[in-house]
Amino acid sequence: AQSVTQPDIHITVSEGASLELRCNYSYGATPYLFWYVQSPGQGLQLLLKYFSGDTLVQGIKGFEAEFKRSQSSFNLRKPSVHWSDAAEYFCAAQTNDYKLSFGAGTTVTVRA
Amino acid sequence: GAVVSQHPSWVICKSGTSVKIECRSLDFQATTMFWYRQFPKQSLMLMATSNEGSKATYEQGVEKDKFLINHASLTLSTLTVTSAHPEDSSFYICSARDVGQGIGRTDTQYFGPGTRLTVL
Repeated sequence: AQSVTQPDIHITVSEGASLELRCNYSYGATPYLFWYVQSPGQGLQLLLKYFSGDTLVQGIKGFEAEFKRSQSSFNLRKPSVHWSDAAEYFCAAQTNDYKLSFGAGTTVTVRA
Repeated sequence: GAVVSQHPSWVICKSGTSVKIECRSLDFQATTMFWYRQFPKQSLMLMATSNEGSKATYEQGVEKDKFLINHASLTLSTLTVTSAHPEDSSFYICSARDVGQGIGRTDTQYFGPGTRLTVL
């Protein structure tokens, strides 16, 4: 079945440390892939997206993601996190009918 | 660019009343919008696809008579929760599909800020 998996439910990271959030997809062909961030009580903000081409994608707020076809992964990274990066992060894949299939989300806590 | 608004941001209503939520794409036209429901500490659950000028397509298990969707223009979709009950209390989020223009056009959903519905 087509699905998006985020293996980590909760990650705690120190301010200034690096962050990596994992995302794996299971689709017959490479779907369009997205990372969104959600602050408490807010909607989703698009961080970055991958459609084709360069497998390293740069996004907003200093985030980047790398698409690896061999691993069916699209992991999100940030070299140095800020306290404001504490939020819920969702990986999503777009299916043939333009719908988004979301992972369960990863909660990021930033400690001082 | 690519801004989506929702109104209201929160609403409290009595059981049995109907509530309308608006979703607008402010700087692009969206022939397709989506309505999601999100429970606390959970991911988004797609409720329905709203298509401009035609009937909405509902996901399995979503009552179309309970959640009425109208997409009357290229920038506005509305979700009406009819005869609301406490179990309908939730966070409702819409998104609008931007297909872009020209060479290298992309296909991206942009999300509204959400509407918190509380039914007493």
